[in-house]
Amino acid sequence: AQSVTQLDSHVSVSEGTPVLLRCNYSSSYSPSLFWYVQHPNKGLQLLLKYTSAATLVKGINGFEAEFKKSETSFHLTKPSAHMSDAAEYFCVVSPNSGGYQKVTFGTGTKLQVIP
Amino acid sequence: EAGVTQFPSHSVIEKGQTVTLRCDPISGHDNLYWYRRVMGKEIKFLLHFVKESKQDESGMPNNRFLAERTGGTYSTLKVQPAELEDSGVYFCASSLTPLEQYFGPGTRLTVT
Repeated sequence: AQSVTQLDSHVSVSEGTPVLLRCNYSSSYSPSLFWYVQHPNKGLQLLLKYTSAATLVKGINGFEAEFKKSETSFHLTKPSAHMSDAAEYFCVVSPNSGGYQKVTFGTGTKLQVIP
Repeated sequence: EAGVTQFPSHSVIEKGQTVTLRCDPISGHDNLYWYRRVMGKEIKFLLHFVKESKQDESGMPNNRFLAERTGGTYSTLKVQPAELEDSGVYFCASSLTPLEQYFGPGTRLTVT
């Protein structure tokens, strides 16, 4: 069994300040973890993924996430928020059990960036 | 390279009517997935095709939902008859491997 908890449904930051979107997971296997972003009226875009290699993962648009097994966390960060970062972000877990892998989505975090 | 496309982008139908959603995956992607997000809830898996075969349809809510993928290319998801609780955004995704799925923009279905 697996699950994902996004701890904040809404996060508001000022432009130029750091972003932290929190995600905790549970999985029976060593998981693969992903962050997706959805801008209004757009599809889900993959930001970054962790697949058992380096625990600090760098993604697009300056985002990065660190896999912490001891804390079962995969928080998404960005040093300086930009107005274009305003969107909804989804943390996703896959069991990485070999063969077919069904993913589980978190409930999403809406990021607001204040000018 | 064209991405995953979905049609229509928005559909409004009355309870009891039938609606068919279409998904065109990225060319060459054997894996095709359908997901649904009901308002305020998480995105939930509906089913997974590998080519034209259903690999996993454990997420399909009931027998009012029928998904097909003839010829292993595009897929359709039919809801018949639609109920109010079917309203939501239906996403399609495709992939070469399960580890990196590419999502379409979604179809927003409103049942009144």
